[in-house]
Amino acid sequence: DTAVSQTPKYLVTQMGNDKSIKCEQNLGHDTMYWYKQDSKKFLKIMFSYNNKELIINETVPNRFSPKSPDKAHLNLHINSLELGDSAVYFCASSQQGMGTDTQYFGPGTRLTVL
Amino acid sequence: SQQGEEDPQALSIQEGENATMNCSYKTSINNLQWYRQNSGRGLVHLILIRSNEREKHSGRLRVTLDTSKKSSSLLITASRAADTASYFCATAFSGSARQLTFGSGTQLTVLP
Repeated sequence: DTAVSQTPKYLVTQMGNDKSIKCEQNLGHDTMYWYKQDSKKFLKIMFSYNNKELIINETVPNRFSPKSPDKAHLNLHINSLELGDSAVYFCASSQQGMGTDTQYFGPGTRLTVL
Repeated sequence: SQQGEEDPQALSIQEGENATMNCSYKTSINNLQWYRQNSGRGLVHLILIRSNEREKHSGRLRVTLDTSKKSSSLLITASRAADTASYFCATAFSGSARQLTFGSGTQLTVLP
């Protein structure tokens, strides 16, 4: 039933490790996004994929690599985790990837880097 | 930066009162959206207002847009405890119509 799902919900790891967050949407949307929400609740776009093609890539360290095996999935892999990567990461999807779209968000993954 | 900025950062009211939150932005927009985020959850879309619209209603929500002042307001009437959440405005700027830019939100607490 869940429209946009993410796993895991919580991720606690040591500095320097590599981790992945998975996202799936069953809405049939063409576009998926990754956002980072910091401790002050500021939500910043990281990446956007449209039909498996990267269309938005904000200034994000190249330790972050999104992977879209098909248009229903957009996973986020993070190498060499740093303390500053601690945040809540949200996946979202929308119909066409236009600014007029409604975006549907997953429940978030709270990443804590120790 | 281009992101919208919500004001106030936090708002506490009694159940039944109206809550007004404001959003200001810096450059021309195609549209502006409001989202709600309950604690520990993802954002949920509330309403979209286009740049050529001045006011829009949805249930107990009323959104206004003043493009000359580059500002929008969200009014929640007859608030309920269940309205307690963070409220974000998100703007689709004319120059980057493929993405939304979010602010840091207004934390609304409705006391029973």
